[in-house]
Amino acid sequence: GQNIDQPTEMTATEGAIVQINCTYQTSGFNGLFWYQQHAGEAPTFLSYNVLDGLEEKGRFSSFLSRSKGYSYLLLKELQMKDSASYLCAILDSNYQLIWGAGTKLIIKP
Amino acid sequence: GAVVSQHPSRVICKSGTSVKIECRSLDFQATTMFWYRQFPKKSLMLMATSNEGSKATYEQGVEKDKFLINHASLTLSTLTVTSAHPEDSSFYICSARVDRGFHEQYFGPGTRLTVT
Repeated sequence: GQNIDQPTEMTATEGAIVQINCTYQTSGFNGLFWYQQHAGEAPTFLSYNVLDGLEEKGRFSSFLSRSKGYSYLLLKELQMKDSASYLCAILDSNYQLIWGAGTKLIIKP
Repeated sequence: GAVVSQHPSRVICKSGTSVKIECRSLDFQATTMFWYRQFPKKSLMLMATSNEGSKATYEQGVEKDKFLINHASLTLSTLTVTSAHPEDSSFYICSARVDRGFHEQYFGPGTRLTVT
């Protein structure tokens, strides 16, 4: 079967760093995406990893280990506007996205 | 970057009526578009895959006669909710897949449907 796990909710402080983990077991793998979704809005693309290692993009970085079926999204210098849900998704062998349930990130001042 | 529009953004309709939602890729062609549904505080649920020029592929449990999908061109897919009922009230989101590179999906802004 296919399974993607990520924490349901996390809380962090403004200005701090937070790491959101995602573990997966899927029948095929053509890459892993991270999306951000604010309440009542559609998801927006954050990052894509298909090779092992760290991809850095400004305050956000994403890491992938294919052998471990593991990824994380690292958010630095947290801002209040980063309060949102973060969705991990796997691109399967048919190039279809398999979605995790999302992690709600709450930023406190 | 690729832009996907969705119309309308919000719609309120009476029970028993039908509602059509349009999804357009504005600056790229998309052979494949996807329709998702999302309940409050829940993750995206894939309803169907819309293929240009052929029938849509529906996920298990999604009624194809209730949720009609038409992908008439490489830039337009429509979802029609037929004979809507209050339980169909939800946030409907479309996405269009780029058929090259890493096949990223670009999302429309979503449609909030309320059936009274």
